[in-house]
Amino acid sequence: GAVVSQHPSWVICKSGTSVKIECRSLDFQATTMFWYRQFPKQSLMLMATSNEGSKATYEQGVEKDKFLINHASLTLSTLTVTSAHPEDSSFYICSARVPGFSPYEQYFGPGTRLTVT
Amino acid sequence: AQSVSQHNHHVILSEAASLELGCNYSYGGTVNLFWYVQYPGQHLQLLLKYFSGDPLVKGIKGFEAEFIKSKFSFNLRKPSVQWSDTAEYFCAVNAQGGNQFYFGTGTSLTVIP
Repeated sequence: GAVVSQHPSWVICKSGTSVKIECRSLDFQATTMFWYRQFPKQSLMLMATSNEGSKATYEQGVEKDKFLINHASLTLSTLTVTSAHPEDSSFYICSARVPGFSPYEQYFGPGTRLTVT
Repeated sequence: AQSVSQHNHHVILSEAASLELGCNYSYGGTVNLFWYVQYPGQHLQLLLKYFSGDPLVKGIKGFEAEFIKSKFSFNLRKPSVQWSDTAEYFCAVNAQGGNQFYFGTGTSLTVIP
C-alpha cells in the first residue's frame, strides 16, 4: 500500500530557531500533499495544501511566512517552522493523495512532535 | 466552510457491546465521507469511506457506517467491539472535486476487557 514517512519523528528546538520537517511518499509520486496540526486530545487542523511545483495554499488563519511549505519534488514536501515559539509546539502530520487510486483518499504519515522550549 | 461534528468525545464500552459513534457535517454540496482510526502511537488509518451509491458502507475490522443525506450524518457502527478497538476515531469530510479534508474533533473509544 501507499506509505508516507515523516522525518524527524520528534524534535526539540529553542525558541527563535527554525525547524524543518520532511514528508516523503515512499512508493508513489504525490502531486498533492497536505499538512495538518494536531493539538493534544483534539482533531487534525488542516494547515495547507502543498502542490508540487507551485505555491502552497494555506488555510485561513495560518501564517504562510511562519509555516513555509516547499514541494520541490513528486515525493517530498517540507514544512519549515520559522522563528519557533512555545505555542508552535504541536504534532504535525502530513498526508498525500495517491494518483491512480481513488482520488479522494489520503494516506497519512506518522507525524512529527515538535517541542519548542 | 465545511465543519464536522462528533458529539461523543469519550466512549467507554465493555467487550461485546455495540458501538455507534455520531458524525454530522455541514456542507450544502456533494461530499465524500470517511472514518479514520488512530491506534495508540500509530498513524491514522482509513476504516471506511463513502463516495456514492449504497449509503451503508462496510469497512475493515467489522465496522460499517450509514450515510443519511437528509440528516447530514455518517455514523459509525460495530455490533460487537473488542479490546483491540480501543483507539481514537475521526470522521472526515471532503467536498467532491475538492482537495481539502476536514476532520471532526475525534472520539476516544476505550473498550474494557
